[in-house]
Amino acid sequence: EAGVAQSPRYKIIEKRQSVAFWCNPISGHATLYWYQQILGQGPKLLIQFQNNGVVDDSQLPKDRFSAERLKGVDSTLKIQPAKLEDSAVYLCASSHLLGADIQYFGAGTRLSVL
Amino acid sequence: AQRVTQPEKLLSVFKGAPVELKCNYSYSGSPELFWYVQYSRQRLQLLLRHISRESIKGFTADLNKGETSFHLKKPFAQEEDSAMYYCALRTGGAQKLVFGQGTRLTINP
Repeated sequence: EAGVAQSPRYKIIEKRQSVAFWCNPISGHATLYWYQQILGQGPKLLIQFQNNGVVDDSQLPKDRFSAERLKGVDSTLKIQPAKLEDSAVYLCASSHLLGADIQYFGAGTRLSVL
Repeated sequence: AQRVTQPEKLLSVFKGAPVELKCNYSYSGSPELFWYVQYSRQRLQLLLRHISRESIKGFTADLNKGETSFHLKKPFAQEEDSAMYYCALRTGGAQKLVFGQGTRLTINP
């Protein structure tokens, strides 16, 4: 089966600019996750969807970050405006059942904010 | 709050030597523990989970609730084991994974 697809792979922007990342989960996976991984740290969950509904966004900085999964399939994560500390790898993952199955990760998008 | 601690950022052992990657967690309830691995230029992927109680690529991990630990072990390291290893915790109420900071394992020939 095809894996989790993410684009772009790399993005360089200046602070205060906006940026968007795209994720297409594995077909049939109802649950989709966005993680932020800062250099030297483990992934940190930003937001979790089941189908097109938000399950957990407690760690999403809502003043600048937003995410949507309108049709319950692919998802977009946006940062507006970006700050220097947003430089990180943004990982998307999906799983078949909510909390009950293995998470499959995409290759990630590496964001550099200058 | 739930927390996962991997005390070693870097671990280097010789091929054929035993390996132990340490993981301690903080959670008062019944946790689910996982080890994820990221090989060079590959995606993060599940290595094993405590509920399966299986050995994957020669690795095992036992959940010790008394010591709140889930250390990853392999009796004889191989060069292809070189990778970044992350311990992760999933709690009963919240469904999200909480990751440790990771341990970079290097197997020297």
